[in-house]
Amino acid sequence: QKEVEQNSGPLSVPEGAIASLNCTYSDRGSQSFFWYRQYSGKSPELIMFIYSNGDKEDGRFTAQLNKASQYVSLLIRDSQPSDSATYLCAVNTGFQKLVFGTGTRLLVSP
Amino acid sequence: DTEVTQTPKHLVMGMTNKKSLKCEQHMGHRAMYWYKQKAKKPPELMFVYSYEKLSINESVPSRFSPECPNSSLLNLHLHALQPEDSALYLCASSQGKDSYNEQFFGPGTRLTVL
Repeated sequence: QKEVEQNSGPLSVPEGAIASLNCTYSDRGSQSFFWYRQYSGKSPELIMFIYSNGDKEDGRFTAQLNKASQYVSLLIRDSQPSDSATYLCAVNTGFQKLVFGTGTRLLVSP
Repeated sequence: DTEVTQTPKHLVMGMTNKKSLKCEQHMGHRAMYWYKQKAKKPPELMFVYSYEKLSINESVPSRFSPECPNSSLLNLHLHALQPEDSALYLCASSQGKDSYNEQFFGPGTRLTVL
């Protein structure tokens, strides 16, 4: 069974700190990787995607992918209270299906 | 414009009712998806339409019936639902096959079955 694992949290960080969220996946054939942010009661919002090994930066967000170790991470620099949300890792294993992790709840305290 | 719209935002229905959820995208995407999400759980894939044809049905009960009238529209017809079907129903779209499968979600329909 293709799995994506995340620590459910909550991950608590103070405002201004770096938040580091991690995700591991089981299917070595996975092709692309996504981070979604979901506020309570709202729909998932795509914030980053990555498909090749290394780092990809977009503003305060950096996605990191290591296919050999089968993990993908999301770093949020200068965390703000508005970053408090659940972060879902999703993996494209082919055939147009995304496999989602259970999400990590991030709490950023002022 | 990376927007997927869904109507209605909220829906309350009885177990004998028939209702429909609607989804629309104008990004030229050729794949559209229905997901179901229960509280504190990740989205759970229900159906995938690719180039207006049903390509994936994740063994969803027949009381849920999808329809793709054209490449921009996706409907989910509901009939004889159960209280446990109460959830957030999400529509998403992506460019289609041979892409990285970036999926963009609509705001969802919050469904309550009484």
